[in-house]
Amino acid sequence: GQNIDQPTEMTATEGAIVQINCTYQTSGFNGLFWYQQHAGEAPTFLSYNVLDGLEEKGRFSSFLSRSKGYSYLLLKELQMKDSASYLCAVTRNYGGATNKLIFGTGTLLAVQP
Amino acid sequence: DTAVSQTPKYLVTQMGNDKSIKCEQNLGHDTMYWYKQDSKKFLKIMFSYNNKELIINETVPNRFSPKSPDKAHLNLHINSLELGDSAVYFCASSQPTSGGASLTDTQYFGPGTRLTVL
Repeated sequence: GQNIDQPTEMTATEGAIVQINCTYQTSGFNGLFWYQQHAGEAPTFLSYNVLDGLEEKGRFSSFLSRSKGYSYLLLKELQMKDSASYLCAVTRNYGGATNKLIFGTGTLLAVQP
Repeated sequence: DTAVSQTPKYLVTQMGNDKSIKCEQNLGHDTMYWYKQDSKKFLKIMFSYNNKELIINETVPNRFSPKSPDKAHLNLHINSLELGDSAVYFCASSQPTSGGASLTDTQYFGPGTRLTVL
């Protein structure tokens, strides 16, 4: 089976750093995505990890440990506009060239002044 | 230019009706998807088509029937709508690679269709 766990909600202060954790259990793991979704909008791509380690992209970084089934998204210098849901998604091979994206329930981040 | 577009954005209808949602992508991708996001914000895949061929079909009532006239379009028809069908439906597309996943498997989502069944 597959299981993806993230905290439901988090609160942080503008200018601070926040880390959103994601643990997963799945067979046929192929990589892990983080998506951002503002209320009433579509999910948008933030980052992708397939190998262990840290991927940095501006204020956002994502880490993966395949052996531990663990990832985190790190957001630095938080801005009010970062208030959104952050979705952890595991990509799993479905056969051939088909990869299936399995989403966690998302973490709703509220950034306060 | 909109990469993945959906129509309508909002759909309000009565129980028992039949409705369709349309999706188009201009990214040249081979694979398209339909997702359902419920009131708890859980995003779950329903269907996926690759080059007009159904490749993923999750446990979805057969009242839901996807149709892909060409690889740039994936429509979703829903028969006999029920209250529990109320949700936001997202279309997405990606360009698959053979073998392991890569960044080209990134899925690009449409703006969503908020369906309300009364």
